[in-house]
Amino acid sequence: QVQLQESGPGLVKPSETLSLTCTVSGGSVSSGSYYWSWIRQPPGKGLEWIGYIYYSGSTNYNPSLKSRVTISVDTSKNQFSLKLSSVTAADTAVYYCAREGSYALLDYWGQGTLVTVSS
Amino acid sequence: QSALTQPASVSGSPGQSITISCTGTSSDVGSYNLVSWYQQHPGKAPKLMIYEVSKRPSGVSNRFSGSKSGNTASLTISGLQAEDEADYYCCSYAGSSTPRVFGGGTKLTVL
Repeated sequence: QVQLQESGPGLVKPSETLSLTCTVSGGSVSSGSYYWSWIRQPPGKGLEWIGYIYYSGSTNYNPSLKSRVTISVDTSKNQFSLKLSSVTAADTAVYYCAREGSYALLDYWGQGTLVTVSS
Repeated sequence: QSALTQPASVSGSPGQSITISCTGTSSDVGSYNLVSWYQQHPGKAPKLMIYEVSKRPSGVSNRFSGSKSGNTASLTISGLQAEDEADYYCCSYAGSSTPRVFGGGTKLTVL
């Protein structure tokens, strides 16, 4: 059974960089069959796709966040990570990592982690 | 890339059937039979309920079904149960390197 677990600071100051890591168990980020994704959900709002990374390092980002987002993968640790720079209060959200199978099929999700942007 | 359009809320009584629509464009929903649906209970992560328009993952009740006509996909839940009360989101593939887009979400209330 594939499991994903997000980790990282729950509080980030405005203008700083949000950094989260997703640890994958029961599966490999090196599998050529999947993309590894980040999705977020502001309190009381809907899901927003942030981006994904393939094991080779190729990425695809939400155009509205592209200038501030970096997703990377560490195959040796079976992890992938999210960095979001110059955060504001609007970036306060629950951040989920997920596995995308073929064609935008998100079949496994982490439990989510709340990140609050506040001074 | 615009979000897919879903009704904000739907409701139904136990035992009834409800349908949630998800309207996209000829570039996404209309071009691919690759719409997925997710159920999200409060405080929980989304759960995949339907993929490729009408396929159910193992373990998902056959009370959940999906369909598509033109640029609109639909999720139908039959024999409504209290546990079905949740938020539902659709998502459509729109090309290999295109951004993924979700619908705005629909809150299902079981009366």
